[in-house]
Amino acid sequence: AQTVTQSQPEMSVQEAETVTLSCTYDTSENNYYLFWYKQPPSRQMILVIRQEAYKQQNATENRFSVNFQKAAKSFSLKISDSQLGDTAMYFCAFMSRTSGTYKYIFGTGTRLKVLA
Amino acid sequence: DTGVSQDPRHKITKRGQNVTFRCDPISEHNRLYWYRQTLGQGPEFLTYFQNEAQLEKSRLLSDRFSAERPKGSFSTLEIQRTEQGDSAMYLCASSPPAEPRATDTQYFGPGTRLTVL
Repeated sequence: AQTVTQSQPEMSVQEAETVTLSCTYDTSENNYYLFWYKQPPSRQMILVIRQEAYKQQNATENRFSVNFQKAAKSFSLKISDSQLGDTAMYFCAFMSRTSGTYKYIFGTGTRLKVLA
Repeated sequence: DTGVSQDPRHKITKRGQNVTFRCDPISEHNRLYWYRQTLGQGPEFLTYFQNEAQLEKSRLLSDRFSAERPKGSFSTLEIQRTEQGDSAMYLCASSPPAEPRATDTQYFGPGTRLTVL
């Protein structure tokens, strides 16, 4: 069974600094997708960034980038130039498609606080 | 595009009562997911629909839980004989069709917070 582990329950970072959130996963599949979702306080979850496992190049979305290490099953999120609006819960998620069915598994989340 | 909507946003009920939640996905999305999220945890997958077909059900979805998507548009999640352990946020998400190009990104609704007294 697939698992997703986020080992950092809480983190804080100074505004304008860089922070990295960790995520590891376990799977026997070769084709899958990885995501980072952001859930601001009392607001709905939104996608931050996604990575297809077959792509070697790390995904980047403006200030957000990932370090995808397939062999190590590691998928960390780097936030550069942190802003107060980045304060949120961040969830790492794994998705696989097998025989037409989809499975999404989320980690337990990392609460990030950006300090002024 | 108004996004994924869920109704009600909050529900307080007494133990033993039945409750029903509704989810309206983004109109062109044929895939719909239900999750349960407890405080401080990530969403736990409950069930998945592709159009009107329920293709996947978690073992978390006990026989007191039932979900439907009769016309492949909105979906309902019913919990019968609620228990205090059912108290959680119930999230709905939708995704666009896998063809011609799958993105597999999920768009989440605001959730329905259930409190069972």
